[in-house]
Amino acid sequence: AQSVTQPDIHITVSEGASLELRCNYSYGATPYLFWYVQSPGQGLQLLLKYFSGDTLVQGIKGFEAEFKRSQSSFNLRKPSVHWSDAAEYFCAGWIQGAQKLVFGQGTRLTINP
Amino acid sequence: GAVVSQHPSRVICKSGTSVKIECRSLDFQATTMFWYRQFPKQSLMLMATSNEGSKATYEQGVEKDKFLINHASLTLSTLTVTSAHPEDSSFYICSATTGISNQPQHFGDGTRLSIL
Repeated sequence: AQSVTQPDIHITVSEGASLELRCNYSYGATPYLFWYVQSPGQGLQLLLKYFSGDTLVQGIKGFEAEFKRSQSSFNLRKPSVHWSDAAEYFCAGWIQGAQKLVFGQGTRLTINP
Repeated sequence: GAVVSQHPSRVICKSGTSVKIECRSLDFQATTMFWYRQFPKQSLMLMATSNEGSKATYEQGVEKDKFLINHASLTLSTLTVTSAHPEDSSFYICSATTGISNQPQHFGDGTRLSIL
């Protein structure tokens, strides 16, 4: 079955430290992949997307993600986190046949001062 | 960037009331809109896909008579929770896209529905 998995439910990092959030997908073909961020009580904001081409994609707020076909991964990274990055992060993949977005379980990011 | 407005942001009402939630795309034509439900500390669960001018496609297990969806124009979709009960309390989020598969969905800010 086509799915998106985020192995880490909760991650805590110190402010200024680097960050990597994991995302794995299960698809037959190259999927369209997205990372979204959700602040408490808010909707989702698109951070970045991957469709094809360059496997390292840059997003907003200093985030980047790398698509690795061999590992079926699309991990999100940031070299230095800020307290304002504390939020819930969702990886998602677009399923062509079903015409819908499938979300991972989400990773809650906590920033220590 | 693309903006999606969702209204109201919060609703508190008595059991048995019907509640309508609006989702508007403000600066683009949304051929397709999606309605999601999100339980506390959980991911988004797709309820239905709405294409302008046609009937919504509901996900398995979602009661279409309970959650009425209308997408009458390219900028507006509505979700009506009919005869709401406490178990319908949740966070409802809409998203909109131009309908081209590789275009990202743009999300509203969600509606917190509380049924007393």
